[in-house]
Amino acid sequence: AQTVTQSQPEMSVQEAETVTLSCTYDTSESNYYLFWYKQPPSRQMILVIRQEAYKQQNATENRFSVNFQKAAKSFSLKISDSQLGDTAMYFCAFIMDSNYQLIWGAGTKLIIKP
Amino acid sequence: EAGVTQFPSHSVIEKGQTVTLRCDPISGHDNLYWYRRVMGKEIKFLLHFVKESKQDESGMPNNRFLAERTGGTYSTLKVQPAELEDSGVYFCASSHLPPGIGELFFGEGSRLTVL
Repeated sequence: AQTVTQSQPEMSVQEAETVTLSCTYDTSESNYYLFWYKQPPSRQMILVIRQEAYKQQNATENRFSVNFQKAAKSFSLKISDSQLGDTAMYFCAFIMDSNYQLIWGAGTKLIIKP
Repeated sequence: EAGVTQFPSHSVIEKGQTVTLRCDPISGHDNLYWYRRVMGKEIKFLLHFVKESKQDESGMPNNRFLAERTGGTYSTLKVQPAELEDSGVYFCASSHLPPGIGELFFGEGSRLTVL
């Protein structure tokens, strides 16, 4: 079965610190895409970063970067210089090349403290 | 350009009643998806439309759930009769391209509480 595990239900850090959210997944497929989404309080889910499994280079988007370890099936998200606006639920997800269903983790609630 | 909109934002009903959730995707997006998050659990796929056709409804939990997408525009998800375990947040998303290639755009979700 395809699964995603986010082992940290909740995290909090001080503003300007760096924080890493963990994610592991399980699939027997070789071609897939990995995502981190964030959902701020009372707002819609938005895409933070995506990674193609066939690419070895880790994706980066400004202050957000991932550490993708395909053999270990690990896909952690690093947020540098965290800001108050980063406070949100963060979801790790993946989708296989063969279908259109996103498989989601349970989410990590991230709180950035001033 | 308007994003994905969902209505109602929150619905409270009693067990046995009917509720209809609506999703208006981004104009021109042929792909429309419904997902559900039961409290504290993972978000689960419900179904996928391409235009007005159901491409994949393997995630629909049972026949109390009925989804439609009339004319390939907005979609409705009806729960009849509602049960306690149906409580959760129902997300709608749309995309122009397949989700691995193109970005999914989500609505804010419809929170359903069944008492």
